Amino acid sequence: DTAVSQTPKYLVTQMGNDKSIKCEQNLGHDTMYWYKQDSKKFLKIMFSYNNKELIINETVPNRFSPKSPDKAHLNLHINSLELGDSAVYFCASSHGTGPHEQYFGPGTRLTVT
Amino acid sequence: AQTVTQSQPEMSVQEAETVTLSCTYDTSESDYYLFWYKQPPSRQMILVIRQEAYKQQNATENRFSVNFQKAAKSFSLKISDSQLGDAAMYFCAYMNYGGSQGNLIFGKGTKLSVKP
Repeated sequence: DTAVSQTPKYLVTQMGNDKSIKCEQNLGHDTMYWYKQDSKKFLKIMFSYNNKELIINETVPNRFSPKSPDKAHLNLHINSLELGDSAVYFCASSHGTGPHEQYFGPGTRLTVT
Repeated sequence: AQTVTQSQPEMSVQEAETVTLSCTYDTSESDYYLFWYKQPPSRQMILVIRQEAYKQQNATENRFSVNFQKAAKSFSLKISDSQLGDAAMYFCAYMNYGGSQGNLIFGKGTKLSVKP
């Protein structure tokens, strides 16, 4: 009965590889987000999707490509991984794009070696 | 651009005591929303409390309350009767009222320790 789930929870990979992180929510929300939390715990939004359409794309390298096959899923694909991509990535969802509570997934700790 | 500042990287409180976490923000908007999120060691981000800027009354959720000072652009979180389970990182966050993008802007967090 997990509300927002992410797979995998931990991901260790080498520089230059391509990897994906999957996110699914069963809350019936129409808006989903990806956040990045760096080693100093600073949390910053990367993308948001509303009804499968991109509505926020912060200054993120184009090596990062979100994909939303349906309203319940928002996957994050990362090409040519770099050391600086090491972080915890959080998926979140909300009902609408306004000031509604955002429900966060458990996070995926990505380590690039 | 809006910014959120949490000036206390770490705080400590004795169990059952009260602690206040500080947050200031900068915006030229008059309508917006403010949030406090909690991140325990499990990493899960949990919404603690929310305040609408147009409301003068401070939000309260059980042992958690805020002191919202709009003119001073201050939004502090008070935790009463602190419990061991309150130990976590606490993040203050801002969202524009236009909020059409749901863009939460976070502060850098305050790590709260609770001593038994």
